[in-house]
Amino acid sequence: AQRVTQPEKLLSVFKGAPVELKCNYSYSGSPELFWYVQYSRQRLQLLLRHISRESIKGFTADLNKGETSFHLKKPFAQEEDSAMYYCALRAGNQFYFGTGTSLTVIP
Amino acid sequence: DAGVTQSPTHLIKTRGQQVTLRCSPKSGHDTVSWYQQALGQGPQFIFQYYEEEERQRGNFPDRFSGHQFPNYSSELNVNALLLGDSALYLCASSYRGPTYNEQFFGPGTRLTVL
Repeated sequence: AQRVTQPEKLLSVFKGAPVELKCNYSYSGSPELFWYVQYSRQRLQLLLRHISRESIKGFTADLNKGETSFHLKKPFAQEEDSAMYYCALRAGNQFYFGTGTSLTVIP
Repeated sequence: DAGVTQSPTHLIKTRGQQVTLRCSPKSGHDTVSWYQQALGQGPQFIFQYYEEEERQRGNFPDRFSGHQFPNYSSELNVNALLLGDSALYLCASSYRGPTYNEQFFGPGTRLTVL
């Protein structure tokens, strides 16, 4: 069965420190993975998609099929990165979301 | 373009009642997906509508039904409400082309069942 796991509900880092938000998945097919972000009082929005291999707002994520992981990383956290982050897997027309990680960047 | 819009913003119902939530997709989008987000959880896929038909359904009972209109707007209906149906209901729209296109989310409707 398809499943997305985000083991950390809360994560706090200091400004300028590296940040890594963990995501593991289970899926029998070829996975298509995403990171979504929700800033305070804003809508859920796409941050990045593994297929595009882009760096968005300094964030990157590499799909590791051996470890079934898709961790989100940023070398130097900024205060504006404080938000809720959701990892998601697409299977056909259906998305499976993790439970989310609330990131707080401490000034 | 206001993007994806949903109505109402909030509503309160009692157990056993029925509710209808509405969604207007972003301009140019023809596909609407509905999600349920319980407190402290990630969004859970309910179903997706395209060309006025339900194309895929998540693990939700038949009490959850939907409709898509010719103008691509959509409704989510929930019958025989349970306390556990209290959640934020999100609508997302996209354009169904030959390749994947990004889905855009609405602000959600907060449903409270008493």
